[in-house]
Amino acid sequence: GEDVEQSLFLSVREGDSSVINCTYTDSSSTYLYWYKQEPGAGLQLLTYIFSNMDMKQDQRLTVLLNKKDKHLSLRIADTQTGDSAIYFCAERDSGYSTLTFGKGTMLLVSP
Amino acid sequence: KAGVTQTPRYLIKTRGQQVTLSCSPISGHRSVSWYQQTPGQGLQFLFEYFSETQRNKGNFPGRFSGRQFSNSRSEMNVSTLELGDSALYLCASSEVKNTEAFFGQGTRLTVV
Repeated sequence: GEDVEQSLFLSVREGDSSVINCTYTDSSSTYLYWYKQEPGAGLQLLTYIFSNMDMKQDQRLTVLLNKKDKHLSLRIADTQTGDSAIYFCAERDSGYSTLTFGKGTMLLVSP
Repeated sequence: KAGVTQTPRYLIKTRGQQVTLSCSPISGHRSVSWYQQTPGQGLQFLFEYFSETQRNKGNFPGRFSGRQFSNSRSEMNVSTLELGDSALYLCASSEVKNTEAFFGQGTRLTVV
């Protein structure tokens, strides 16, 4: 079945770059997403990438996709304390409109 | 444009009771999906509605049900509540052929 895996925790210093990694198993995934969740809040869509792309950049965010290895990463440049949150990777299957999420990576940014 | 609105934000219910949660999608969005988020299981898909029809359903017992109205607003209902139903219930809306799904703030349900 479908499975999305992420490392559980990442700690960085303010100003450094953060890289959050994700692996998925469903080869029919069409879109892959990154969501951010702050305490007590819902999910905020950060960015997404279509499966036929290798890279997408959006301001401080860079998404890299290695379709052969089914590996997705999110790089946050110049990480700020306000970036501290849980980041979820998700995939959308071509046949459905539902999202399958990873367990989330908690990013802690220290001053 | 207003975002996805979920009401209420917080609920406390007793085991055995039933509960109804509401979701108003972004104006113009016709697809509404529901997800359950718990510390142990993470985010799990419940069901998706489009034009008042359930298009897809996750692996949840029949106590979980939903519906969508002609104005695209959606409700989900959980009957005979169990302690394990305590969770954050999230609703997401999207346009017909749009790749982006936008989430509401969620309803935090606590079953005691």
